Amino acid sequence: ETGVTQSPTHLIKTRGQQVTLRCSSQSGHNTVSWYQQALGQGPQFIFQYYREEENGRGNFPPRFSGLQFPNYSSELNVNALELDDSALYLCASSFRSGVSTDTQYFGPGTRLTVL
Amino acid sequence: DQQVKQNSPSLSVQEGRISILNCDYTNSMFDYFLWYKKYPAEGPTFLISISSIKDKNEDGRFTVFLNKSAKHLSLHIVPSQPGDSAVYFCAARWYGQNFVFGPGTRLSVLP
Repeated sequence: ETGVTQSPTHLIKTRGQQVTLRCSSQSGHNTVSWYQQALGQGPQFIFQYYREEENGRGNFPPRFSGLQFPNYSSELNVNALELDDSALYLCASSFRSGVSTDTQYFGPGTRLTVL
Repeated sequence: DQQVKQNSPSLSVQEGRISILNCDYTNSMFDYFLWYKKYPAEGPTFLISISSIKDKNEDGRFTVFLNKSAKHLSLHIVPSQPGDSAVYFCAARWYGQNFVFGPGTRLSVLP
């Protein structure tokens, strides 16, 4: 059983650019959630994908968007990068049956630095 | 508005003693709670969970207690080991919604 993987590990971009982060979910999981973790804070929920559709969104602007693919992997896209977007981006996979998701398992994260 | 609070940013404990990490929440609708441990440069690792229908759950050295009337949960680690030194997050959700995380508590276990 493979765990959650994320790529790339680190990324440096400049303000105004666009970035795509990738996540492969754990075997048997059908749901992917994305979080942003700023330094010294807990993970902040960005959105969740289930059955290739966005299912729940946190307090993030529309320039944060995502995709989920038929194999349950996912992408997080951020357009028009701002300095405050510098953070650790975490992907978590889980199994959802019915309305609620089960325990989430995290990948190692992608460290994004915006200059 | 912080729905999940961990009011102690850091905690130091001697090896072999008990570590108690606390978490308070404001939303009485929360029905499922998790604790995660995070080492530097790694993603959070799931430790233990508890449903709101229980008041205690144990898994080896880790025990989580839930006091619904006080909207408080705690994680007990007994005995504490140096490898337990990490940042601990509590997270909560209510039915059909997504998880809300606290800001974390950094635990240092001193040899």
